[in-house]
Amino acid sequence: AQSVSQHNHHVILSEAASLELGCNYSYGGTVNLFWYVQYPGQHLQLLLKYFSGDPLVKGIKGFEAEFIKSKFSFNLRKPSVQWSDTAEYFCAVTGGSQGNLIFGKGTKLSVKP
Amino acid sequence: DTGVSQNPRHKITKRGQNVTFRCDPISEHNRLYWYRQTLGQGPEFLTYFQNEAQLEKSRLLSDRFSAERPKGSFSTLEIQRTEQGDSAMYLCASSHPGMLSSYNEQFFGPGTRLTVL
Repeated sequence: AQSVSQHNHHVILSEAASLELGCNYSYGGTVNLFWYVQYPGQHLQLLLKYFSGDPLVKGIKGFEAEFIKSKFSFNLRKPSVQWSDTAEYFCAVTGGSQGNLIFGKGTKLSVKP
Repeated sequence: DTGVSQNPRHKITKRGQNVTFRCDPISEHNRLYWYRQTLGQGPEFLTYFQNEAQLEKSRLLSDRFSAERPKGSFSTLEIQRTEQGDSAMYLCASSHPGMLSSYNEQFFGPGTRLTVL
C-alpha cells in the first residue's frame, strides 16, 4: 500500500532562514508527487507537483522540490523563508488510475519575524 | 469565485443524528473526491466519482456513510447515526478531465467542519 512520511511535525525558523521539509513515500510504481500548503484559515492549495521530466520542480512563492527516485524522497526547499510562509505543509503521492491522493501527516511551519 | 465550494462550512450535531454535506466542484471537472481530515493528520481519502459513477470507496467509508453525485455535477456526502468519532473536517476536491496526468491535480474546497456532541 502507498504511504507518505513527513519527518518533521513542527518546524520553527526565523525569517531569512533556509527551509527543507522531508518527505518519503512508499510505492513501487510510477508516482505523481505533490506538495500542498494550508495557510491559517484557508483551504489546501497546490504548491508544486512532479509528474515526470526534470526532477527539480519549482513551485509558487519561491518553493522548489527535488524528486530522488532512489531515495523515494520528494523534499521541499526554500532558500529564505518569510513570516508569510507560516502554514502547514502536506506532501502527497498518487499512483494508478484512480488518482486519489495519499497524504503525509503534515509539517507545521512557524516563521518568527 | 470559480473554485470548489462546500456547504455548510460548519455543522454541529448530536450523536445519532444524520447530516448531509454538499460539494460543488469546479465547472467541467469530471472527477470529484471526498477526504476526511482529523486533527494532526493529513487528509484521508474516502471516495471518488468520475461523472456520476462512484468508482472507489475507502475502507474508512463505513455503511453509515453514503455519497452521491446524481447528475455528475455537485455531490452530497451523508452520514447516518453520527458518532463522536465522525468529528472531522470533510474536504471535497475536483480535477480536470484533460490530459491523463491532469487527473491527479486536485483543487480543494474549504471543507465542512463537523462536530458531533
